[in-house]
Amino acid sequence: AQSVSQHNHHVILSEAASLELGCNYSYGGTVNLFWYVQYPGQHLQLLLKYFSGDPLVKGIKGFEAEFIKSKFSFNLRKPSVQWSDTAEYFCAVNARTGGFKTIFGAGTRLFVKA
Amino acid sequence: GAVVSQHPSWVICKSGTSVKIECRSLDFQATTMFWYRQFPKQSLMLMATSNEGSKATYEQGVEKDKFLINHASLTLSTLTVTSAHPEDSSFYICSARGRGSTNTGELFFGEGSRLTVL
Repeated sequence: AQSVSQHNHHVILSEAASLELGCNYSYGGTVNLFWYVQYPGQHLQLLLKYFSGDPLVKGIKGFEAEFIKSKFSFNLRKPSVQWSDTAEYFCAVNARTGGFKTIFGAGTRLFVKA
Repeated sequence: GAVVSQHPSWVICKSGTSVKIECRSLDFQATTMFWYRQFPKQSLMLMATSNEGSKATYEQGVEKDKFLINHASLTLSTLTVTSAHPEDSSFYICSARGRGSTNTGELFFGEGSRLTVL
């Protein structure tokens, strides 16, 4: 069955610390991968996406993610977090073969201490 | 980016009544809309996929007679929770995929609608 697994449900960091959120997926075929972010009281919005090409993708606000096909992983990273990065982060995957039904991970709540 | 709007953002209703939630794509044509349900501290669970002008496709375990989905135009989809009960209380989120994201499946999300059934 198709699934997305996020390793950490809650992460607490101090400002300027480095961030890495793990994401593994189980989905047959060629996939598209996404990280969405939900800031408190706001919509879900796209942080970054991977469709093809360079497996290291850069998104908004200094975030990046690396697609490692052999590990079925798409981990999110940021070298130095800010208080404003406090949010919930969702990893998601879809595929054309699946009609682009997007499956989400359980989410990781990040709290950055000022 | 593309804008998707949901209405109402929060609705409280009595058990046994029906509630309709609207999802509109404001500046693009949404060929496909997806309805998700989010339980507290859990991820988004896909309920159904609706394509404009055709019947919705429901995920396993989702009662299609209880959660009626209509996608009558390229800018509007509605979710009607019929005969709502307290266990239907949840956060419902719609998302849309436009013609521009045909090859990628990137989704644009509404702000969500919180349903509370008393």
